[in-house]
Amino acid sequence: GDSVTQMEGPVTLSEEAFLTINCTYTATGYPSLFWYVQYPGEGLQLLLKATKADDKGSNKGFEATYRKETTSFHLEKGSVQVSDSAVYFCALSGYNQGGKLIFGQGTELSVKP
Amino acid sequence: NAGVTQTPKFRILKIGQSMTLQCAQDMNHNYMYWYRQDPGMGLKLIYYSVGAGITDKGEVPNGYNVSRSTTEDFPLRLELAAPSQTSVYFCASKSGTGPSGVDEQYFGPGTRLTVT
Repeated sequence: GDSVTQMEGPVTLSEEAFLTINCTYTATGYPSLFWYVQYPGEGLQLLLKATKADDKGSNKGFEATYRKETTSFHLEKGSVQVSDSAVYFCALSGYNQGGKLIFGQGTELSVKP
Repeated sequence: NAGVTQTPKFRILKIGQSMTLQCAQDMNHNYMYWYRQDPGMGLKLIYYSVGAGITDKGEVPNGYNVSRSTTEDFPLRLELAAPSQTSVYFCASKSGTGPSGVDEQYFGPGTRLTVT
């Protein structure tokens, strides 16, 4: 079945470090790919998305490229801040999934000053 | 717009009790969803609705029921609460008229439920 796999957390970085959170997927059809972020005590909010192969989604300094050949959608940021500390979820959704989101398990990021 | 609202924020239930988690959205979205989030796990879909009067099961529907009498409201009912239902519950909604998957889902702040 369809699934999303993320790198294990927690990830701990110093401020201004480079961030990569790996995400790979298995899916039928041509789903859209998403990164959602959950700040402490809050619900999820969309960080960025890409709807077709080779698309790059970007927002708030984060970016991810939809790589169909490697079935990946890795999240990157060049210089993290303490305020980026949160849990990041990779997800997919498309016609073959009935428009429902399939989530990865989440990766907790902690950024230290 | 308030977006997606959920009540209550926290609740402790005894085993065997029942309760309803409330969810409302003011964005006139057709699609609404209920998820549960267990520690270290992603979100699992419990039930969803594609419009008023239409609901369907998700991945983990056992022990829950839903109804969708209006576009705005999508309550989740727990009957005979069990410790396995201890979790954080999120409601979400999205616009769109078809299952294309490109539309963003908007999430509520969650309800933290403990069953003891």
